[in-house]
Amino acid sequence: AQTVTQSQPEMSVQEAETVTLSCTYDTSESDYYLFWYKQPPSRQMILVIRQEAYKQQNATENRFSVNFQKAAKSFSLKISDSQLGDAAMYFCAYRRQTSGSRLTFGEGTQLTVNP
Amino acid sequence: DAGITQSPRHKVTETGTPVTLRCHQTENHRYMYWYRQDPGHGLRLIHYSYGVKDTDKGEVSDGYSVSRSKTEDFLLTLESATSSQTSVYFCAAGGPETQYFGPGTRLLVL
Repeated sequence: AQTVTQSQPEMSVQEAETVTLSCTYDTSESDYYLFWYKQPPSRQMILVIRQEAYKQQNATENRFSVNFQKAAKSFSLKISDSQLGDAAMYFCAYRRQTSGSRLTFGEGTQLTVNP
Repeated sequence: DAGITQSPRHKVTETGTPVTLRCHQTENHRYMYWYRQDPGHGLRLIHYSYGVKDTDKGEVSDGYSVSRSKTEDFLLTLESATSSQTSVYFCAAGGPETQYFGPGTRLLVL
């Protein structure tokens, strides 16, 4: 069974600085997707970024980028120029490549952004 | 995400009563899912659907049933609510690659 581990229950960062959230996963599959979701106090789950395992290039979305290390089964999220609105719970998630497969989530990292 | 709504958004009920939560999507996604979110557990899959009238169990399906009679609607039923089912419930829908989430339903079982 696939598992996703986020070893940092809480992180904090100063506004305008950079922070990296860690995620590791365990799978025997070679093709899969990895995601970071953001959950602000409103509880809405918002997709931040997606990485396909077959792609060597790390995904980026504006201030958000990932460091995908397939051999190490590591998938970290880097937030640059942190903003107050980035404060939220961040979930790392794994999905098999099979269409419609469920997401397996880590337990989340609570990010605080200090002004 | 856009196009996915859940009703009700909040509900308080008593132990032993039946409860139905509704998920509605407007994007014609084939796949739909119900997750529950509890402290220390992240989100866990309850049931999912891969088409009209095609559903299957997730990792925490005991005490829950689902139905999908139309592409746009996916219902989650707690036949006899228990206090352990107090949680936040999320519906998700998506295509082959990505899932998008509804706003969640907070359920309190007294």
